[in-house]
Amino acid sequence: QKEVEQNSGPLSVPEGAIASLNCTYSDRGSQSFFWYRQYSGKSPELIMFIYSNGDKEDGRFTAQLNKASQYVSLLIRDSQPSDSATYLCAVKRDSSYKLIFGSGTRLLVRP
Amino acid sequence: DTAVSQTPKYLVTQMGNDKSIKCEQNLGHDTMYWYKQDSKKFLKIMFSYNNKELIINETVPNRFSPKSPDKAHLNLHINSLELGDSAVYFCASSGQLTFNEQFFGPGTRLTVL
Repeated sequence: QKEVEQNSGPLSVPEGAIASLNCTYSDRGSQSFFWYRQYSGKSPELIMFIYSNGDKEDGRFTAQLNKASQYVSLLIRDSQPSDSATYLCAVKRDSSYKLIFGSGTRLLVRP
Repeated sequence: DTAVSQTPKYLVTQMGNDKSIKCEQNLGHDTMYWYKQDSKKFLKIMFSYNNKELIINETVPNRFSPKSPDKAHLNLHINSLELGDSAVYFCASSGQLTFNEQFFGPGTRLTVL
């Protein structure tokens, strides 16, 4: 079992729709959860992080965390073609500097 | 005013050569990292230094040797390059442990021929 699992996609959604990206993790000691966006040929860019169960909203992005189910998701509202990228989920323990990344989900937003 | 910078951006070399990649951050962070991203886009931690002290050393061939002359710089030296070393190498830095939001450099695409 991979430590952090993501569906590789591509997830294709029409412009203006809500894109839902999911991530599960195996280490129950994970405390911090991060979503990075990576455009093709570019470096990962941090877009959201979450530590507490529930939802955290930032503009068009909402991160959702359910530690009991070991599940974290990212919702992108009003998806734009410019949101087309690979979204990487990453988790860490509080006592560690180490980020464990999933293999990413490729999102395609159709105009 | 680049936050995390790496040089070179591209590196093409022959098998068996030795090469180095340099990384610098001006964010005032204490911790720096090297990641390898393979052709399937999987991003994996290799090393991390905190205030010039090695704190993460994953299962990496000992042909790879990181060096941190100060907390703003972390270099990666690779000896006897192999075809399988071809990848994109990212440097990153982060501040305090509790939140550990990591910021990535632009990457170095290494191609071993």
